[in-house]
Amino acid sequence: DTGVSQDPRHKITKRGQNVTFRCDPISEHNRLYWYRQTLGQGPEFLTYFQNEAQLEKSRLLSDRFSAERPKGSFSTLEIQRTEQGDSAMYLCASSFEGETQPQHFGDGTRLSIL
Amino acid sequence: AQSVSQHNHHVILSEAASLELGCNYSYGGTVNLFWYVQYPGQHLQLLLKYFSGDPLVKGIKGFEAEFIKSKFSFNLRKPSVQWSDTAEYFCAVRQGSSNTGKLIFGQGTTLQVKP
Repeated sequence: DTGVSQDPRHKITKRGQNVTFRCDPISEHNRLYWYRQTLGQGPEFLTYFQNEAQLEKSRLLSDRFSAERPKGSFSTLEIQRTEQGDSAMYLCASSFEGETQPQHFGDGTRLSIL
Repeated sequence: AQSVSQHNHHVILSEAASLELGCNYSYGGTVNLFWYVQYPGQHLQLLLKYFSGDPLVKGIKGFEAEFIKSKFSFNLRKPSVQWSDTAEYFCAVRQGSSNTGKLIFGQGTTLQVKP
């Protein structure tokens, strides 16, 4: 299966710790997206990249959140000084450029803050 | 701000019943519309999409949706559901006139089909 891959699948950490998630998109896709999903809600947009450029960031992405895509392939999402409210499923998606191109989602990383 | 509203949070149907899930959005300009499905234990998958042209779009597994611009709606339908359609369904909107990649999702509808 050459879909979007996310690692780890689950992360449990104590409040105040830093965490980093990785996303490997479908290899031909030049766009990569991060979303956050909490229980009973739909995914909320966080940010997206076209190649290595971060083109859009949501106001949800506080200063504690940073995302990178250094070589235009995989991406990392780091959360510093985690808080209880950061507990969520973090989803990654990728697509070709173009408004008609659908986004393909990974399985997500579930973050639990103790 | 744009928003997407899905009216039904939890729907329970018997097999062979007809399905209609409501979706309304708040953006007045050109929109791209999507329905995604998430089967238990799986990732989000695209069910169907609308960009332009015929407002009645057909997707996978016998699903269809109708874009009604005057009602800002994009309701999902299936004439006869199966047990395997048990899943969570998400409507999503993208602002069509910009180059943004951002999708705005509704809160989702959980569909339970009883055999």
